[in-house]
Amino acid sequence: ILNVEQSPQSLHVQEGDSTNFTCSFPSSNFYALHWYRWETAKSPEALFVMTLNGDEKKKGRISATLNTKEGYSYLYIKGSQPEDSATYLCARGAGNMLTFGGGTRLMVKP
Amino acid sequence: GAVVSQHPSWVICKSGTSVKIECRSLDFQATTMFWYRQFPKQSLMLMATSNEGSKATYEQGVEKDKFLINHASLTLSTLTVTSAHPEDSSFYICSATRLGKNEQFFGPGTRLTVL
Repeated sequence: ILNVEQSPQSLHVQEGDSTNFTCSFPSSNFYALHWYRWETAKSPEALFVMTLNGDEKKKGRISATLNTKEGYSYLYIKGSQPEDSATYLCARGAGNMLTFGGGTRLMVKP
Repeated sequence: GAVVSQHPSWVICKSGTSVKIECRSLDFQATTMFWYRQFPKQSLMLMATSNEGSKATYEQGVEKDKFLINHASLTLSTLTVTSAHPEDSSFYICSATRLGKNEQFFGPGTRLTVL
């Protein structure tokens, strides 16, 4: 993998469903993986910064895992709520430089 | 804390005119600011990195004479799109970092439409 890729591009779920999406990135020379939550007309908000292989981070109903050897990270949302509707971005960090994936747009229907 | 604002949030201009976009760190000093561009259904792409008081570093393929970046103070960076053309229509977003930290704090972005 040469670039940062996210899948799926978009996702519709019902309120209460749990969901997850994937971020794939080049595994060589890994430094850090960032997850952001971006609501329409607002600034992207940092969710997690992950650096260690096997790392797992949690913030409320949202959690993320990291596999640096195979170059992927999963973001999980448990019991999705309409307010979780946003675009979720991942970015591979190298120093203070970020390379972004295309994002996963999540829409949660009440 | 760590709030970044951008102004304007959207702008429509005629082809050939220049447009200035401001990026401000409201409650911290931003030693480095970044400018990104996002075309529809694409990723945020880094255009340039600017450090306060020095010239910006542009990414490959970004014309420095077309996208003028000024980072004259620790709280303000500006991006001027000179002689804008319809193909410059895009979403421009800035971010800022504090001294010694890598975490980037983003502004809400500016939607530029060139007619």
